[in-house]
This record gives sequence, structure tokens and C-alpha cells, in this order.
Amino acid sequence: DTGVSQNPRHKITKRGQNVTFRCDPISEHNRLYWYRQTLGQGPEFLTYFQNEAQLEKSRLLSDRFSAERPKGSFSTLEIQRTEQGDSAMYLCASSIYRDRASYEQYFGPGTRLTVT
Amino acid sequence: GENVEQHPSTLSVQEGDSAVIKCTYSDSASNYFPWYKQELGKRPQLIIDIRSNVGEKKDQRIAVTLNKTAKHFSLHITETQPEDSAVYFCAAPGAGSYQLTFGKGTKLSVIP
Repeated sequence: DTGVSQNPRHKITKRGQNVTFRCDPISEHNRLYWYRQTLGQGPEFLTYFQNEAQLEKSRLLSDRFSAERPKGSFSTLEIQRTEQGDSAMYLCASSIYRDRASYEQYFGPGTRLTVT
Repeated sequence: GENVEQHPSTLSVQEGDSAVIKCTYSDSASNYFPWYKQELGKRPQLIIDIRSNVGEKKDQRIAVTLNKTAKHFSLHITETQPEDSAVYFCAAPGAGSYQLTFGKGTKLSVIP
């Protein structure tokens, strides 16, 4: 499978614990995006990277959230001191950015987080 | 930032009929409009997109139309089939931004 992959697919954690998710984009894609999706809603943007640089973060992104893409390939999203409101599907997407144009975003299967 | 409104929230059609889903956006500088299909428990899947330099794009039974003056775009599915049943999302980027703002989704049910 050469699409976007995410691990783990499911994560159950207790409130107050830290969690980390991983996203592996399509190999030639230099842009990587993180979104969050709650039941009955569309994906909500969190942050994105071009290569290893984090270029934009949502104003809604709490300080408890941090993302990295250290070598411009895979990315991790960490949530510290999880709260029940963090329960959601965390989606990763990737795209190609070239010649000052950004192309189609392709999504991974997501990581479903449940905070108990 | 960009604001995307999507209607209707639910849509039921008989197999073989057409379905139309409409979206409006707020940022007149937006220039790219994708549509995603999401089946239950699956990832959003890009099914068609349109850029602001064209008014319509077709791919087999699916078409998207764009009216930049009115700031709305629509998804048209003809000859619907049961496998078209899913939630459909429209999206648009804000000016100078590459992050997508999504509509709230339309749950399409195709009745055999």
C-alpha cells in the first residue's frame, strides 16, 4: 500500500496521560497535514508541514498539542495531559507542493483516540 | 478565515436518480475546491476537485460546478448507485493558506 499510513489505528488512554501518533505520508509528498474529526463533523485543520518546517498551526490548537516532522518524512503528533474533549479521530493527509501550487490532499485511515 | 456552508445535511434518493449537494464559501480568494467521500469508519477519499479557472469538471457520473461570483460550488452525482451511499464533504482553502476548511457533510443514502 503506497498511500498515507497512520499508527496506531486506535488508542484508548486515561485522562491526564500523554499519547503520540505517527503518520507516514506518500513518499514523494513534501506537505503533511494533521486534522481532527469528531462524530458528525468534517475534518478540522490542526497544523501542517512543508518538509520539516511547520508552517501553520490552527488558533484552536492547544499548547498541549505538539507536532514534529524531523526529517521531512514521517510526522508525530503528541497530546500531553489528555482530556476527554480530545477524544476524536486524528487524520493525517499529504500532498505535493511544487511551483508555488499545492495539489490534492490524500488522507490516511486515521487514529481514533478515546480518553476515559 | 474561510467559512464553508454545506447543504443539505442529509439526502435520500432512489437508485438511478441524481443527487446534488451545494456548498458556499466566504473567502473570494479561494481557488481550489475538493470534494471528499467518507464511508463509515473509512478515510475521506478525494473524488473530484475543481480550480477557480474553470466552471465545471466531470468524471464519469460525478461533476462539480463552480460559480465564483456567487461563491458557491456543487457536486452532482448522476445515475446513483447504492455504493454511492456515504457522507460527502466539500472543502475550500483560505487566502494564502493551504489548509482546508470543510463543510459539515452531507449524508447521502441511495435507496435500491
